[in-house]
Amino acid sequence: GAGVSQSPSNKVTEKGKDVELRCDPISGHTALYWYRQSLGQGLEFLIYFQGNSAPDKSGLPSDRFSAERTGGSVSTLTIQRTQQEDSAVYLCASSFLGGDTDTQYFGPGTRLTVL
Amino acid sequence: DQQVKQNSPSLSVQEGRISILNCDYTNSMFDYFLWYKKYPAEGPTFLISISSIKDKNEDGRFTVFLNKSAKHLSLHIVPSQPGDSAVYFCAAPGSSNTGKLIFGQGTTLQVKP
Repeated sequence: GAGVSQSPSNKVTEKGKDVELRCDPISGHTALYWYRQSLGQGLEFLIYFQGNSAPDKSGLPSDRFSAERTGGSVSTLTIQRTQQEDSAVYLCASSFLGGDTDTQYFGPGTRLTVL
Repeated sequence: DQQVKQNSPSLSVQEGRISILNCDYTNSMFDYFLWYKKYPAEGPTFLISISSIKDKNEDGRFTVFLNKSAKHLSLHIVPSQPGDSAVYFCAAPGSSNTGKLIFGQGTTLQVKP
């Protein structure tokens, strides 16, 4: 079956613009995660969805970041008024139920460059 | 604070030899650990995991060892193959409910033919 897909694969934007990043999880997976990887760093948790609800948004770095999930499937991460420090690879992952022993499957990521 | 640390940014080994990747953690509440492997331009893929009730888990050429008293785990790959060249991340769930992962910085492994 299809894995996790993300679009676009690359996004270059100017400082101050808004961007939307999309994630299509594996069909039937109820849990969805967003992470980001800045240059030379590990993956940093941003937000967790269970169905359409986001019970854990603790990793969102500022109020410029928001995310939603609709139909228990597709998720969109929106960054408003982008800053250069937002440049990173944004990774989406999904798992069947969530929880600490449920394997997370990652998409290929969206590389965001803010000029 | 970095709760999961991989202090070696890179490692180079000869094909056929053993690769040992190390990971340290600070939170004694962690009870499950995972290793992910990442190729360029791809997302990380799950490799192997270990529960804190065990001190070793083996899957083919890959073995993970856990030393709870030292808060240290290691991934052994033997024999190493050129296709193993990738970035390896150690991770632990920061929440048993959500499963959100806390990752180390990663170690880039190069296996030379």
